[in-house]
Amino acid sequence: QVQLRESGPGLVRPSETLSLTCSVSGDSISNRYWSWIRQSPGKGLEYIGYISYTDSSRYNPSLRSRVTISLDRFSNQFSLELMFVTAADTAVYFCVKGGGGYAFDYWGQGALVTVSS
Amino acid sequence: DVQMTQSPSSVSASVGDRVTITCRASQDIQKYLAWYQQKEGRAPELLIYGASHLRSGVPSRFSGSGSGTYYTLTINGLQPEDFGTYLCQQGDSFPDTFGQGTRVEI
Repeated sequence: QVQLRESGPGLVRPSETLSLTCSVSGDSISNRYWSWIRQSPGKGLEYIGYISYTDSSRYNPSLRSRVTISLDRFSNQFSLELMFVTAADTAVYFCVKGGGGYAFDYWGQGALVTVSS
Repeated sequence: DVQMTQSPSSVSASVGDRVTITCRASQDIQKYLAWYQQKEGRAPELLIYGASHLRSGVPSRFSGSGSGTYYTLTINGLQPEDFGTYLCQQGDSFPDTFGQGTRVEI
């Protein structure tokens, strides 16, 4: 059974960097695509981007200048970094298996990240 | 970005009813359309992919159809556990985008 779990700080100060890690069990991150999606009351579900099993990544143009998604094959994890956060980045962040034309078939439980001083 | 517009925004139905939710894309998405169910405080769960392919383990009362820009999700014989919000998502054009959701109340 594929399981994903997000971890990271729940509070980030404005202008700093949001960092989350997704631990994957039951599958290898060397398979397929792995994505980050966020959900906030005001904007619904927003696709952040993906990283593929070949280490290629693609980011939503609305966030591209601030986002990095990376793989850690040794730990079977992938990570999200979002720089220069503002209150508008407050959301529940989901790590997800899928993207690159594939549906999102496995989701983490979500991590609430609040941007506030 | 491709705009995904769902209707209705909410529906109230009884156990056993047939419920149909529609999703319209702002351009042809070539059946790269998925449907998800989300319950309060939980992550979305995939129901249907490729517009009409039922995910393994999802009850057969759920079905999807459509092509081009117009897609539907039908629940035949609504069950109490089917309450929640239903979301459509297109994966044809990057970035993937989601509809705003349809809330189903029993």
